[in-house]
Amino acid sequence: QKEVEQNSGPLSVPEGAIASLNCTYSDRGSQSFFWYRQYSGKSPELIMFIYSNGDKEDGRFTAQLNKASQYVSLLIRDSQPSDSATYLCAVISGTYKYIFGTGTRLKVLA
Amino acid sequence: GAGVSQSPRYKVAKRGQDVALRCDPISGHVSLFWYQQALGQGPEFLTYFQNEAQLDKSGLPSDRFFAERPEGSVSTLKIQRTQQEDSAVYLCASTHPSGGTYEQYFGPGTRLTVT
Repeated sequence: QKEVEQNSGPLSVPEGAIASLNCTYSDRGSQSFFWYRQYSGKSPELIMFIYSNGDKEDGRFTAQLNKASQYVSLLIRDSQPSDSATYLCAVISGTYKYIFGTGTRLKVLA
Repeated sequence: GAGVSQSPRYKVAKRGQDVALRCDPISGHVSLFWYQQALGQGPEFLTYFQNEAQLDKSGLPSDRFFAERPEGSVSTLKIQRTQQEDSAVYLCASTHPSGGTYEQYFGPGTRLTVT
């Protein structure tokens, strides 16, 4: 079992819809969770981080964390074609080591 | 600087050559990380520095890989006797000035192709 699991996609949503991206992790002791966006040929760009159970909103993005279920998700409201990218979930294992999932490819259809 | 910079952006090496990849982190960032990203995969941890100290090198795939950060700022990842399986994007990231488990900011990466 991989330490951080994501569905590789592609996840296709129409423009204006809500995109829901999911991630599960195996280390129950993990405390810090991150979502990165990676455009093709570019490096990962941090879009959200969440440390506490519940929801955290930033503009069109909402991160949701459920430590009991070892589950973190990212919702993108009013999806735009420019949101089309690979979304990487990352979890800190121990005190500093980032473990990344393989990423979910999102396609927003105009 | 404004962000993490890496050089070269692209490197083609013949199998068996040595390469050196450079990372210049955000000014004042204590922690620096190197990752390897294969096509279609997420970044894989290679090594971690806090200032000049290499605290974790557990992700380095073989003893052909070596990293250093002698003055606690610029870091170099060296790969000796490159093999085709070393072809990947090598990413460098740095964190918040006080170090610790903060969000990481990535450089543009170096794409290494071994022929």
